[in-house]
Amino acid sequence: GAVVSQHPSRVICKSGTSVKIECRSLDFQATTMFWYRQFPKQSLMLMATSNEGSKATYEQGVEKDKFLINHASLTLSTLTVTSAHPEDSSFYICSARRPVASRFRHNSPLHFGNGTRLTVT
Amino acid sequence: SQQGEEDPQALSIQEGENATMNCSYKTSINNLQWYRQNSGRGLVHLILIRSNEREKHSGRLRVTLDTSKKSSSLLITASRAADTASYFCATADSGSARQLTFGSGTQLTVLP
Repeated sequence: GAVVSQHPSRVICKSGTSVKIECRSLDFQATTMFWYRQFPKQSLMLMATSNEGSKATYEQGVEKDKFLINHASLTLSTLTVTSAHPEDSSFYICSARRPVASRFRHNSPLHFGNGTRLTVT
Repeated sequence: SQQGEEDPQALSIQEGENATMNCSYKTSINNLQWYRQNSGRGLVHLILIRSNEREKHSGRLRVTLDTSKKSSSLLITASRAADTASYFCATADSGSARQLTFGSGTQLTVLP
């Protein structure tokens, strides 16, 4: 079964509103979660790394004030798209790894949520 | 940044045939992973091959890795209609303990 849950799966909002997307690890604690954006028929682009108890690390070109990330607990990270515009319409996916010893972290696969389809009208 | 390039971008085969997808990358890696994505869904991990491995099998999947050429291939044998999905390679760079860099993906269609 799913080990990472993402909610909502679909959201339609009006331009200028904010949208919050939740990502939960269901049976493990995730100190780190990853947020990706995917355009149709394209690959995943890493937006930011969410760190429990500290600030998220954003990739170059991703506006931190636009995409607010909160990782307030070991099982929940949220991505808020603030003042959304039509160009923010996309598929957003989160992922997390089960905790492993740091020397094995390289070889631990990612578990993905089912994604959120955001449509801004 | 996306360093992986996959080819073909799209592949259409008949059920029962084998499907081969290729992935090339640019940096030094710890491992290379293959993921599958059904339309509109998240990604599912298929198989991981370490940088010191050359070939790995899992069920109908066979993965090869050539670090000298910085390339990998995923072979799906005896394909089924249910294998229709997008397939992505992802590399764990030597310099980064956490992130994966995803390739551009191959859209596989298996016709019944």
